[in-house]
Amino acid sequence: DIVMTQSPDSLAVSLGERATINCKSSQSVLYSSNNKNYLAWYQQKPGQPPKLLIYWASARESGVPDRFSGSGSGTDFSLTISSLQAEDVAVYYCQQYYSTPYTFGQGTKLEIK
Amino acid sequence: QVQLVQSGAEVKKPGASVKVSCKASGYTFTNYAMHWVRQAPGQRLEWMGWINAGNDNTEYPQKFQGRVTITRDTSASTAYMELSSLRSEDTAVYYCAREGAYCTNGVCYKDNWFDPWGQGTLVTVSS
Repeated sequence: DIVMTQSPDSLAVSLGERATINCKSSQSVLYSSNNKNYLAWYQQKPGQPPKLLIYWASARESGVPDRFSGSGSGTDFSLTISSLQAEDVAVYYCQQYYSTPYTFGQGTKLEIK
Repeated sequence: QVQLVQSGAEVKKPGASVKVSCKASGYTFTNYAMHWVRQAPGQRLEWMGWINAGNDNTEYPQKFQGRVTITRDTSASTAYMELSSLRSEDTAVYYCAREGAYCTNGVCYKDNWFDPWGQGTLVTVSS
């Protein structure tokens, strides 16, 4: 199974500042045949299901604010919020869909400093 | 819009089974796979398996083999997840989630990110 490890476990950032969450996979999730990374990012607020933010490591889902961006390739990925807003307080998860069983990171809790 | 609506909370005794439903609307049900993911208290999200709603093919991770069964009723646009031999560690919120799709110029590319998700169903296993 591919193990997904996020860092840090929690993060406190001031409003308007940049927040970066990292995700590392235990093996590459890059498909050489199409040069796509099979990595997604989700946001989960209390009492709600996860919400898709990013797929293919860097493709922003329709309707997601452009302050959210994804980057990385192979085994190392990042989710960046360029200017933190109050409504971004949530837990963020990465997920690999390169191979089954599909697996998630342990989550990163993002708070306001 | 695409929507997944799940059945209500359940309380079960150890050893029992639970069956959770997920009714889909806003898209052609048989064109997409449906996944099931659970979230136990303090644990990471855990993928439980999926069903190809078109051809009824299923796949389950080894951890749940023999205990989970995912089915669908195409006439009702509904997917089901049944988990048997329940134990206290199965107490969790269970989600259905459709396979993701990116559509451009009338062509849709599908893959196994999860979007959207149902609202979740809390299953409590307690004696």
